[in-house]
Amino acid sequence: KQEVTQIPAALSVPEGENLVLNCSFTDSAIYNLQWFRQDPGKGLTSLLLIQSSQREQTSGRLNASLDKSSGRSTLYIAASQPGDSATYLCAWRGGSEKLVFGKGMKLTVNP
Amino acid sequence: NAGVTQTPKFQVLKTGQSMTLQCAQDMNHNSMYWYRQDPGMGLRLIYYSASEGTTDKGEVPNGYNVSRLNKREFSLRLESAAPSQTSVYFCASRYRGEDTQYFGPGTRLTVL
Repeated sequence: KQEVTQIPAALSVPEGENLVLNCSFTDSAIYNLQWFRQDPGKGLTSLLLIQSSQREQTSGRLNASLDKSSGRSTLYIAASQPGDSATYLCAWRGGSEKLVFGKGMKLTVNP
Repeated sequence: NAGVTQTPKFQVLKTGQSMTLQCAQDMNHNSMYWYRQDPGMGLRLIYYSASEGTTDKGEVPNGYNVSRLNKREFSLRLESAAPSQTSVYFCASRYRGEDTQYFGPGTRLTVL
């Protein structure tokens, strides 16, 4: 059974720090990996999606990488801001419609 | 362009009651999904519909039924609610040929 793990479950940092969020998965037969942001009481917002053929994707201050051989994806947030405070989830997709989600990492960026 | 909308936002039921959660999207997406999110469990797929007229079970379908009413709407029905179905329910949709899923704001359901 595919498992997706995000460690740590929570992180608190001062504003301005560069951050690395980790996501690991057990099944290397990956189709794509997607990173989401979830604000309290809200739905999920897609941040970045990496296809299995890609190594990384960038959007503004966000950069996501994928290493299939080690079963890991990393979300890099540059120059963190209080507005980045949210829960970040990664989701693995194999050959079906099903997304397998990690449990998320709650990020707090302190002013 | 409202994206993915869900009704109701909140609902409290008693054990054994039934209800239908509504989802609609105005992005002309082909695939639609229902997830539940529970503390410590992450999001889990209940049912999905790859296209109008088709539905398939996800990871946790027991106790639920779905209807893809048309291309825009995908409803989730609880026939006899149980406390174990207390959760936040999210609907999502995706355009065929693209991989990004777009999520609605969720429905918070409590079953007493």
